[in-house]
Amino acid sequence: QQQVKQSPQSLIVQKGGISIINCAYENTAFDYFPWYQQFPGKGPALLIAIRPDVSEKKEGRFTISFNKSAKQFSLHIMDSQPGDSATYFCAAGGSARQLTFGSGTQLTVLP
Amino acid sequence: SQTIHQWPATLVQPVGSPLSLECTVEGTSNPNLYWYRQAAGRGLQLLFYSVGIGQISSEVPQNLSASRPQDRQFILSSKKLLLSDSGFYLCAWARTGINQPQHFGDGTRLSIL
Repeated sequence: QQQVKQSPQSLIVQKGGISIINCAYENTAFDYFPWYQQFPGKGPALLIAIRPDVSEKKEGRFTISFNKSAKQFSLHIMDSQPGDSATYFCAAGGSARQLTFGSGTQLTVLP
Repeated sequence: SQTIHQWPATLVQPVGSPLSLECTVEGTSNPNLYWYRQAAGRGLQLLFYSVGIGQISSEVPQNLSASRPQDRQFILSSKKLLLSDSGFYLCAWARTGINQPQHFGDGTRLSIL
C-alpha cells in the first residue's frame, strides 16, 4: 500500500519535444507529491511539488498533472532540452514525515 | 541559506571493515534528517530518519545503524560491512512539520571489495 509505481523506466525525446513521466500510488493518505531531478553523481534536487487540492501546477517548462480519483500524477516537460537529460523521481508523502519514491525514469533528450 | 554536507564523496572499503559516513546541515535548526540508499539504476530506499537528537527510526533491518549526536549532525555506521552494502548513500534534511520538501546532499559512493 506504500508503493509508488513510476513509468516509463527510460525515455528518449527529441529536443523541443514533450517528455511525460507517470506515477501511480495506492495509499489514499498520501497528500504531498514532489518530483525530483537527479544528475549523475549528484543528489536528487526538488523540481516541483503538488498537493491534492489542485489538479495542475506549472513552473516554467515543468507541469505536474494530478488525478486524485485515479490516484495518478504525471510530470510534463515542455520544449525538452538536452540539459534536461537526467533521472526523474516521483514521490509521495503523508503525515509520517517520510517520502515513498518511485523507481525513477532516465530521460535522454537528443540534440 | 541552508546547506547540507556529506563526506566522503567516495569510499572503497573491504568486506568486514567498519563504516562511518557523516552528514551535517547548516542554516537551520531542529531539522528532520534522513539516510537513503540508492542502488545503481534504482530508486531511493529510506534507511533511517530522525526528528531530533538521539531519536532514530529504522526502516530497514540490516547491519547499518544511525546516530544523531548533535542537532544538525547525522551519522551512518556499520561495525562490519557486507558486499551488499555497496551503493550510493544520500543524506537529506527537511524542516520540521508534515510534508516539508526534502533536500539532499551529493551523496557518498560506497564500494565494498
